[in-house]
Amino acid sequence: EPEVTQTPSHQVTQMGQEVILRCVPISNHLYFYWYRQILGQKVEFLVSFYNNEISEKSEIFDDQFSVERPDGSNFTLKIRSTKLEDSAMYFCASSERGRQGEQFFGPGTRLTVL
Amino acid sequence: AQSVTQLDSQVPVFEEAPVELRCNYSSSVSVYLFWYVQYPNQGLQLLLKYLSGSTLVKGINGFEAEFNKSQTSFHLRKPSVHISDTAEYFCAVKGSYNTDKLIFGTGTRLQVFP
Repeated sequence: EPEVTQTPSHQVTQMGQEVILRCVPISNHLYFYWYRQILGQKVEFLVSFYNNEISEKSEIFDDQFSVERPDGSNFTLKIRSTKLEDSAMYFCASSERGRQGEQFFGPGTRLTVL
Repeated sequence: AQSVTQLDSQVPVFEEAPVELRCNYSSSVSVYLFWYVQYPNQGLQLLLKYLSGSTLVKGINGFEAEFNKSQTSFHLRKPSVHISDTAEYFCAVKGSYNTDKLIFGTGTRLQVFP
């Protein structure tokens, strides 16, 4: 069964460093998303992406964050200068039907900022 | 805007007993509703969804949920649980046409005892 994959599974970085989290969505899906879950808190929406553009973003998704689809298979989330409070599990998701359908999630990348 | 309330943070139950995990939502527009399950150290797996049509929806692993518009609820049920159902369960809501954003509840930890 097709699934969303994410790499790495765990990333440790120093405060102020840039990180790139990578995702490979399900191959026929065109809608892509990033969510995060700070330990002990709710899963929160960050951004959605379609047709090489951001469709929607939350207030969390400030100028420190960016997303990109660098090729036909990868979807990335970049955090330019990490802060301690960026430590969280980051989930990528994809959807075939966008707003009319369900989102399928990857296993997540645990980001630890020291 | 939408919101989700999962009143029970933890639900302990013995194996083979029935279980109900409660979810209430609020929204000023029509919604899609979802239940996701998160096993330890894994990502979010879609259990079932309500998009339209029959209010009783069946999902994987023997789970079902009923959409009740008048009570703004989408409770998850299983008639007989198994040890392997031990996990965190998240209810999520999305405006059906005007947003990409899934809004998650705080989760309910289902602990099944032998």
